[in-house]
Amino acid sequence: GAGVSQTPSNKVTEKGKYVELRCDPISGHTALYWYRQSLGQGPEFLIYFQGTGAADDSGLPNDRFFAVRPEGSVSTLKIQRTERGDSAVYLCASSLTGLNNEQFFGPGTRLTVL
Amino acid sequence: AQKITQTQPGMFVQEKEAVTLDCTYDTSDQSYGLFWYKQPSSGEMIFLIYQGSYDEQNATEGRYTLNFQKARKSANLVISASQLGDSAMYFCAMSSLSGGYNKLIFGAGTRLAVHP
Repeated sequence: GAGVSQTPSNKVTEKGKYVELRCDPISGHTALYWYRQSLGQGPEFLIYFQGTGAADDSGLPNDRFFAVRPEGSVSTLKIQRTERGDSAVYLCASSLTGLNNEQFFGPGTRLTVL
Repeated sequence: AQKITQTQPGMFVQEKEAVTLDCTYDTSDQSYGLFWYKQPSSGEMIFLIYQGSYDEQNATEGRYTLNFQKARKSANLVISASQLGDSAMYFCAMSSLSGGYNKLIFGAGTRLAVHP
């Protein structure tokens, strides 16, 4: 079956621009997570959705970052007024339920802010 | 706060031998989960193995064993009979189970190189 997909795979933008990163989770998975992985580091939690609602957004670095999941499937991570420090790989993961042990990760979107 | 420490930035092992990747954790939670993920050069995170804090037996999945020592707060990954395809980054992670979901906290990772 299809895994988690993320688009675009690469995004290059200029400082100050707005970007949207999309995640298509595995069909039927109610739990969806966003992580950010900077070069040479492990992924850092950003936000968790259970269904349509953001149950935990404690990892979002500031109010320039926002994420939605309006119909409980596809999610979009939105970054306003991008900064060079936002450059990283943004990973999306989904699981059947919130407590299901295995999170299935997508291939990530590599964001580069010039 | 939860924290994962992986002290080995890089490891190498000869093909067909076993290797242990170290992981220690810190948490005040009584109920938590420990995970290992593999990240090949393609970038995708691949789930390997899970251990719950109340599980008394070490978790095993094929060639992977999670060596869980609760008193030492240690969750080392043992890979037996290494293969060339095992060359990758390996991340240890944990989550608190009290929240009802697996918010993963990752370590910095260990790069494993398997030599023929």
